Amino acid sequence: DTGVSQDPRHKITKRGQNVTFRCDPISEHNRLYWYRQTLGQGPEFLTYFQNEAQLEKSRLLSDRFSAERPKGSFSTLEIQRTEQGDSAMYLCASSFQGSGETQYFGPGTRLLVL
Amino acid sequence: GENVEQHPSTLSVQEGDSAVIKCTYSDSASNYFPWYKQELGKRPQLIIDIRSNVGEKKDQRIAVTLNKTAKHFSLHITETQPEDSAVYFCAASITGGGNKLTFGTGTQLKVEL
Repeated sequence: DTGVSQDPRHKITKRGQNVTFRCDPISEHNRLYWYRQTLGQGPEFLTYFQNEAQLEKSRLLSDRFSAERPKGSFSTLEIQRTEQGDSAMYLCASSFQGSGETQYFGPGTRLLVL
Repeated sequence: GENVEQHPSTLSVQEGDSAVIKCTYSDSASNYFPWYKQELGKRPQLIIDIRSNVGEKKDQRIAVTLNKTAKHFSLHITETQPEDSAVYFCAASITGGGNKLTFGTGTQLKVEL
């Protein structure tokens, strides 16, 4: 499968625990985006990378959230001290700047904080 | 920042009828408008997109129109089929400025036999 992949697909955690999600973009895609989607809503932008540089972060991304893309390939999104309000689907998308910039989404990681 | 509104939130049509979903955006600098289809538990999939230098684009049964003056764009699906049933999201972005997508709240389309 050459599409965007995410791991894990599901995560259940207790309030206060830390969680980390991984996204593997389509190879050669230099841009990688993280979105959050809650039930009945459209995805909301969290942050994006161009190669390894994190170029923009949404105000939604509190200081408990951190994202990295150390080698310009896969990315990780970590949430520290999880809260029940963090329960959502976390979607990753990738695109190639300069080639239409169409964003292709991964299957998402569904997080449930108990 | 950009704000995208989408209507209706639910739409039920008979198989073979047409379906129209409308979106408005607030930022006149937005120049890229994709539409995504999301089936239950699946990833959003791009079905069609339009850029601000074009007023209309068609791909088989799907078409999108854009009115830059009024800042609205619409998705048209003709000859609907049961497999068209899904949630459809419109989005807007500024290419060249990171291209972060601002999504509408979605339309649940149900195609009834």
